[in-house]
Amino acid sequence: EPEVTQTPSHQVTQMGQEVILRCVPISNHLYFYWYRQILGQKVEFLVSFYNNEISEKSEIFDDQFSVERPDGSNFTLKIRSTKLEDSAMYFCASSEGQGRGGYTFGSGTRLTVV
Amino acid sequence: AQKVTQAQTEISVVEKEDVTLDCVYETRDTTYYLFWYKQPPSGELVFLIRRNSFDEQNEISGRYSWNFQKSTSSFNFTITASQVVDSAVYFCALSGLVYGNKLVFGAGTILRVKS
Repeated sequence: EPEVTQTPSHQVTQMGQEVILRCVPISNHLYFYWYRQILGQKVEFLVSFYNNEISEKSEIFDDQFSVERPDGSNFTLKIRSTKLEDSAMYFCASSEGQGRGGYTFGSGTRLTVV
Repeated sequence: AQKVTQAQTEISVVEKEDVTLDCVYETRDTTYYLFWYKQPPSGELVFLIRRNSFDEQNEISGRYSWNFQKSTSSFNFTITASQVVDSAVYFCALSGLVYGNKLVFGAGTILRVKS
């Protein structure tokens, strides 16, 4: 069964450093997403991406965040200057269409900012 | 706006008991989708089910069943004869076409099944 691949599975970074989280969505999916889950809390929407541009973003997705699809397969989330409160699990997801095909999630990247 | 409420923060049951996890949603979309995901201790999100707003048929898959009632905006999930391996956090989620196609998650219910 096709899957969404995320790398790395764990990342530890120092406060103020830039991090890039990588995702390979399912190849025939058109919509891509990033979600965040702070430890013990709910899964929160960050951003959705369609047709090479952001289609929607949440209040969490401020200027320190950016997303990119640098080639035909990867989808990245960059955090420019990490803060302690960015420590969380970050999930990438993709979908065929607007929800009707379901959403496939990657296994997540656990980011720890120290 | 869209909102999902899972009022049960944590449920503990003994193995073989049946357990129902509640989910209530709010949306102004007329076409929307409801989901359940399981998050085991390993952390990944495991897809369990998706329903669209036009299909109110209940569904059964092995020990799992789902009850969708549009009249009460609820999409409850029942595990029959629970097992220790069912211990996880369960999230109900909603997506709609008009108010963005993102998934909106509930706060989750921690299910602990004791042997």
